Amino acid sequence: GENVEQHPSTLSVQEGDSAVIKCTYSDSASNYFPWYKQELGKGPQLIIDIRSNVGEKKDQRIAVTLNKTAKHFSLHITETQPEDSAVYFCAASYTGGFKTIFGAGTRLFVKA
Amino acid sequence: KAGVTQTPRYLIKTRGQQVTLSCSPISGHRSVSWYQQTPGQGLQFLFEYFSETQRNKGNFPGRFSGRQFSNSRSEMNVSTLELGDSALYLCASSLDRGQGGYTFGSGTRLTVV
Repeated sequence: GENVEQHPSTLSVQEGDSAVIKCTYSDSASNYFPWYKQELGKGPQLIIDIRSNVGEKKDQRIAVTLNKTAKHFSLHITETQPEDSAVYFCAASYTGGFKTIFGAGTRLFVKA
Repeated sequence: KAGVTQTPRYLIKTRGQQVTLSCSPISGHRSVSWYQQTPGQGLQFLFEYFSETQRNKGNFPGRFSGRQFSNSRSEMNVSTLELGDSALYLCASSLDRGQGGYTFGSGTRLTVV
């Protein structure tokens, strides 16, 4: 069935270092891959997304890469700051599927 | 513009009772999806509504149901509550069935005792 695997489940980095979160999806029909950030007491917030016709997308300190052949996509955060500490979710969906499948989440700690 | 509004924020119910949760999407968004979030299972898809029609449903028992009104507001209902239904229930609205991303509400924290 449809599945999105996300690694690692916990990630601790020093302020200023980079953080990388990796996801693998199973449904080859998936064509839209959003990333969400969830802070304590809040719902997830969309931070960046990528479509299957694009290999890489960047927005300031965050970037996402997609390898359709391997069904892998990754989130890269550079120059991490304490306010980046949160739970990050990758997700996958496809046109007409009417639902989004989420990874299990990565808890990122940025130490000052 | 106003975000996604979920009410109530917190709820405590007893096993066997039923509960109704409400969601008001962003103005203009016609797609509303519901997710259950638990520490062990992550974000699990419950159902999606578009123009008052349920177009997809997750693997949850029939005790979980929902509906959408003509103004796109949505409700979900859980009957015969079980302890395992304790979770954060998140509503997400989007323009186009999640493609283009969801805007989530802050959720309703349901505790079943």
